[in-house]
Parts: sequence; structure tokens; C-alpha cells
Amino acid sequence: DAKTTQPPSMDCAEGRAANLPCNHSTISGNEYVYWYRQIHSQGPQYIIHGLKNNETNEMASLIITEDRKSSTLILPHATLRDTAVYYCIVRSGTASKLTFGTGTRLQVTL
Amino acid sequence: DGGITQSPKYLFRKEGQNVTLSCEQNLNHDAMYWYRQDPGQGLRLIYYSQIVNDFQKGDIAEGYSVSREKKESFPLTVTSAQKNPTAFYLCASSSPFAIYPDTQYFGPGTRLTVL
Repeated sequence: DAKTTQPPSMDCAEGRAANLPCNHSTISGNEYVYWYRQIHSQGPQYIIHGLKNNETNEMASLIITEDRKSSTLILPHATLRDTAVYYCIVRSGTASKLTFGTGTRLQVTL
Repeated sequence: DGGITQSPKYLFRKEGQNVTLSCEQNLNHDAMYWYRQDPGQGLRLIYYSQIVNDFQKGDIAEGYSVSREKKESFPLTVTSAQKNPTAFYLCASSSPFAIYPDTQYFGPGTRLTVL
């Protein structure tokens, strides 16, 4: 699975959009981009995933660049409950494991 | 109410004792996974099982054992051979034969402390 690079930490004001970047320059054609988040002392929560096209669900939007070498997770209106570590993971559709890096610690403030 | 349950949330054991962590899911998922997380680190795969009565070692299987006698259950035993058992243990499940690509969903975790 391709390696990902994320900033270690970011801040966001409550009510504003949080844009979390992820670089995955060695991604292969059959690999998907997944995003999870982990609130302190809880299990990771699935957010969204995509292959080539931008995706949106009730939690977030995923923007993948045309060359697929990077992506951005967008939380449109961040709240204090969105404070968590966000993990960007690249995996093939048949991979059995998820390879978690150290992620981005997002702090949402008043 | 569908989901993955892990019990207990906190577990304390003396060094040298085996301990079994429970993981149950009612999502009708075929595959189940055990991960370990150390402070400030990502998750590492211990064991996984794609079907009943079959399981595979992950990246850090030494000192652990599993069984998969029922689709809903995938208990993990931390044996006395595991050198550094104190960690946060996470169970996950997915449906790789029904959905492509499958998505792994996680339980709330068990924090094991060996004294």
C-alpha cells in the first residue's frame, strides 16, 4: 500500500471549514484513499473513501486531485466534537489490513 | 442496534498471565481483525480472519492467539509470551465478499494494562 504524508497538527475555528491535506504521490491505479478519525481513547471511525472522483457524504467531502497524488478531506462546518486525529490511508480494494500512520491532530476551537 | 462490541473497556492483569479479549459483531460481516495501538502511534494488525474457522497472522502476531468458531465472534488471547502487552486493542470487521472495496468498522477498544 502507498505511503501517505499528513501534517502533524492543524487548528480550526468552530463553524469554519476544516481542510485536511494528504499526500500520496506513490499511489497505484487500483488503490483507494480512505479517511478515518479517532477521538481520544475511542476506536477509529470511518469517514469516507474514494478512487478518482470527488466524494461527499453526511460527514465530509473528499477531493482527490486529477493526478491522484494528493487529496483533501473537508469538514464543512467544524464543531468541537470534530476534534480528533484524522488518518489518511491508501489501500488496494483487496488489502486485508489498514496501514495507519500518525495522522493529523485537528483541534477545533471556539 | 448493529455494531461491534468489545469487552471489557479496561483490563488489568499481572505479568505472566494469559488474558482473553472479547470481540462480537452483529453486522453479519465475514471478516474480522485485531489491531494494537501504542501511545501516539498508528494501528498495527495482529491477526485477521476472512471466514469462520480460518485466520491469518498480521504484522505482529507473536505472543497472541485467536479463534474464529463463530461468524460473530473473534476473541484474542494475549499470552505470557507477548513481551509488551500493555496497549489499546481494537477489533474491526468488514464484508469483503459483499462489497468492493470493503470498509472496516471498529469497536470501542479494550485498554489492557499488565502490572
